[in-house]
Amino acid sequence: EVQLVESGGGLVQPGRSLKLSCVASGFTFNNYWMTWIRQAPGKGLEWVASITNTGGSTYYPDSVKGRFTISRDNAKSTLYLQMNSLRSEDTATYYCTRDSSSSDYWGQGVMVTVSS
Amino acid sequence: DIVMTQTPSSQAVSAGEKVTMSCKSSQSLLYSENKKNYLAWYQQKPGQSPKLLISWASTRESGVPDRFIGSGSGTDFTLTISSVQAEDLAVYYCEQYYDTPLTFGSGTKLEIK
Repeated sequence: EVQLVESGGGLVQPGRSLKLSCVASGFTFNNYWMTWIRQAPGKGLEWVASITNTGGSTYYPDSVKGRFTISRDNAKSTLYLQMNSLRSEDTATYYCTRDSSSSDYWGQGVMVTVSS
Repeated sequence: DIVMTQTPSSQAVSAGEKVTMSCKSSQSLLYSENKKNYLAWYQQKPGQSPKLLISWASTRESGVPDRFIGSGSGTDFTLTISSVQAEDLAVYYCEQYYDTPLTFGSGTKLEIK
């Protein structure tokens, strides 16, 4: 059974940093691209970052480019999202997803609140 | 960026009725080399993570009931639920994965009368 378990969320002040983790199990992690998608409270879905299966390439929308970094440790079957210079508009639930072109498996999500 | 427009934003139907919802993209999602449409539909029930229902515009994921039908090509896509059940109460999102940035529609909220 595919499982994606996120952690690392919480309350953080604007301008500070936070690092999310996602532990994957039930599939061969290093065969798949992985993606982070977020959802602000009561809002829709927004793509945040994607990484190739080897970690050799990463992709971001303009809204987070230069502030967020996606990475992975294939030996640990773990995906990361380093978030720097956080803003109030980054407040959201962050989902780790397995990328099979579309996101075919989703974690339960982790809440990040950016507030002073 | 490819803009995804979903309509209606919400609709209420009775159990057993047929429902259709639309998703339009600002440019074609049909890749000429493989004739595939890079369009997915997700279902998000209250308090839950989204779940992939349909990929490639019309390919139902394993375990998804056959009352969920995806159709369309190019820029116009439709999700049909042939006979709505109470458990289908959810927000439905379309997503294009033709190009980055990946983009989603704003969702259609399905309510059961």
